[in-house]
Amino acid sequence: GESVGLHLPTLSVQEGDNSIINCAYSNSASDYFIWYKQESGKGPQFIIDIRSNMDKRQGQRVTVLLNKTVKHLSLQIAATQPGDSAVYFCAENISDSGYALNFGKGTSLLVTP
Amino acid sequence: GAVVSQHPSRVICKSGTSVKIECRSLDFQATTMFWYRQFPKQSLMLMATSNEGSKATYEQGVEKDKFLINHASLTLSTLTVTSAHPEDSSFYICSARSRRRGTEAFFGQGTRLTVV
Repeated sequence: GESVGLHLPTLSVQEGDNSIINCAYSNSASDYFIWYKQESGKGPQFIIDIRSNMDKRQGQRVTVLLNKTVKHLSLQIAATQPGDSAVYFCAENISDSGYALNFGKGTSLLVTP
Repeated sequence: GAVVSQHPSRVICKSGTSVKIECRSLDFQATTMFWYRQFPKQSLMLMATSNEGSKATYEQGVEKDKFLINHASLTLSTLTVTSAHPEDSSFYICSARSRRRGTEAFFGQGTRLTVV
């Protein structure tokens, strides 16, 4: 299930199930979006990105969906594994602007055996 | 992918002292570097943006005299936390971008600062 409170929202899934992590972004001018995975005590690790001229992009076991109409981004992880347990952040940017990435609040994914 | 190295990974310092954190791009020239701060169970918050050879641009609420940023070369940026206090304890992360490598930002492994 998913819970939202003062801490990071947490999504618990069973090993082997698919995971869907959602993110809402704020800047309608953003045209580049990235999903990062962050393990405890480490820097963000790039997972997958998508530009605003696309609405879907697939990688290995991961798919990112972009809905610009409602400014919504999702990350789907197929056949979730224990090693996928981490905090996932979406980030938005105006490409080639030199601006920094703007990070979303993050979702903690917990994969149970 | 490109490699960004951050040093040290952990540092403990006494209140009132200064701490320097280094961020190096190992295999590319970073025209822009970014410094973020992350408190436990929170997202990354941008502190400042620095372009090589020019002064850093600080985000609102970030004291530039307390968090000194130097980006003297295309492969090195430093963040110095001056007169550190316990409330400065946080996870500091740098990232680097290169015009040649397009839009993607590459992140360092972070520095855990604990001020006692």
